[in-house]
Amino acid sequence: GAVVSQHPSWVICKSGTSVKIECRSLDFQATTMFWYRQFPKQSLMLMATSNEGSKATYEQGVEKDKFLINHASLTLSTLTVTSAHPEDSSFYICSAQTTGLGGYTFGSGTRLTVV
Amino acid sequence: GQQVMQIPQYQHVQEGEDFTTYCNSSTTLSNIQWYKQRPGGHPVFLIQLVKSGEVKKQKRLTFQFGEAKKNSSLHITATQTTDVGTYFCAAGANNLFFGTGTRLTVIP
Repeated sequence: GAVVSQHPSWVICKSGTSVKIECRSLDFQATTMFWYRQFPKQSLMLMATSNEGSKATYEQGVEKDKFLINHASLTLSTLTVTSAHPEDSSFYICSAQTTGLGGYTFGSGTRLTVV
Repeated sequence: GQQVMQIPQYQHVQEGEDFTTYCNSSTTLSNIQWYKQRPGGHPVFLIQLVKSGEVKKQKRLTFQFGEAKKNSSLHITATQTTDVGTYFCAAGANNLFFGTGTRLTVIP
């Protein structure tokens, strides 16, 4: 089946630094990928839609300059959390829609802790 | 984005008991999807419902889409400890918005 690989699984960074999270579709091409954030015991909140070769579409309330998304190829999307602060600590998950199979395939997620 | 509410927020059941979670939208949905997220894991796609009144079964799981396509339910018969996790409904046309989720605990 379709696999979305996400790295790193977890990361601890100092306040003020930037962190890059990668999301790859391993056996299919994903022209569109989605980035979610999930706080403990809460639902997944859609942050942005990543479009290959064009600018990402951000949901209301998500800072574009803070969460930089790049989708340079059909198999790779990256999310960079810039100037991270403790309130950015969360579980970040990417996903892609797998045409014909129904549903979305999710990466394993990245647990970010900003200290 | 799409607003989808789920109830209950939490459910504790004894192993062997049944479990149901309900999903409600104020607007008509083109389709609805269900996901399961184990503790510490990521969401895993279970099923997609598209037709009004549709009912689909996966072993002990029964999924239903309302006639008005504004609500949906997931019913688990005779729960097992492996059913533990959070169940989310999700909807959206070009992207996916998740419901609030129901966290299921199964007591052995």
